[in-house]
Amino acid sequence: DAMVIQNPRYQVTQFGKPVTLSCSQTLNHNVMYWYQQKSSQAPKLLFHYYDKDFNNEADTPDNFQSRRPNTSFCFLDIRSPGLGDAAMYLCATSRDPTHQETQYFGPGTRLLVL
Amino acid sequence: DQQVKQNSPSLSVQEGRISILNCDYTNSMFDYFLWYKKYPAEGPTFLISISSIKDKNEDGRFTVFLNKSAKHLSLHIVPSQPGDSAVYFCAASGGTSYGKLTFGQGTILTVHP
Repeated sequence: DAMVIQNPRYQVTQFGKPVTLSCSQTLNHNVMYWYQQKSSQAPKLLFHYYDKDFNNEADTPDNFQSRRPNTSFCFLDIRSPGLGDAAMYLCATSRDPTHQETQYFGPGTRLLVL
Repeated sequence: DQQVKQNSPSLSVQEGRISILNCDYTNSMFDYFLWYKKYPAEGPTFLISISSIKDKNEDGRFTVFLNKSAKHLSLHIVPSQPGDSAVYFCAASGGTSYGKLTFGQGTILTVHP
C-alpha cells in the first residue's frame, strides 16, 4: 500500500541536544510538508518542499530546519530543542502544491524533551 | 488570528444517530475544505473534501455541506458507529496560501453503543 511513514514514532531527547525526525513516502508525491501539533491544538505548518524548493512559513523558528535528499525522504532537524518543542510532528504529502490537492499524513512522531 | 474554528470541543452521540460536526472560517479566499479524522497516537486520515463550487459532497455515511455566505461547513455522519469515535479536524486552503492547510482545533466525537 502506498503510504507515508514516519520514524521513530516516539523520540525522547534532552534539552539542547539536536534531534532528527524522518519521513518517507511511497506515493511519489512532489510535495512534502512538516506540521507541528501541540496538545489540544490545531496542526501548524512549519514548512514544505515542492520537489527541491524549500518553503518556510514566516513564523517557523530558525531552530527548525529541513532536508529533502530525494523525492521519497524528508527530514526535520531541531537544532537545539527546548521544552516548548515537545509536540507531535506530522509529515504529509500531496501531488502538487495547488490548493485543491488532498494532503496525506503519516502517523506522526511524538517528541519529548527532557 | 484563528481563521478556521471548530467551536465545539466535544460531541457525544448514540450509536445509529446522526453526528453533526461544525466548522466556521473567516478567510473568504478559502475555496477548498477537507475533513480529517484522527485516532490517538496516529496521524490525521483524510475523510472527505469539498470545493467551493459545490455546496454538498457525499461519500457513504459521510456528507459535507458548505454554506459560503455563512462561511460555515458541517460534516454529517449517518448512522454513527462506535468506530467513528475520534478527533475530527476541518481544514481549509486557498487564496495566496495555496498548498497550505489551515486547521481548526478539532472536535472529539464519542459514539456510545
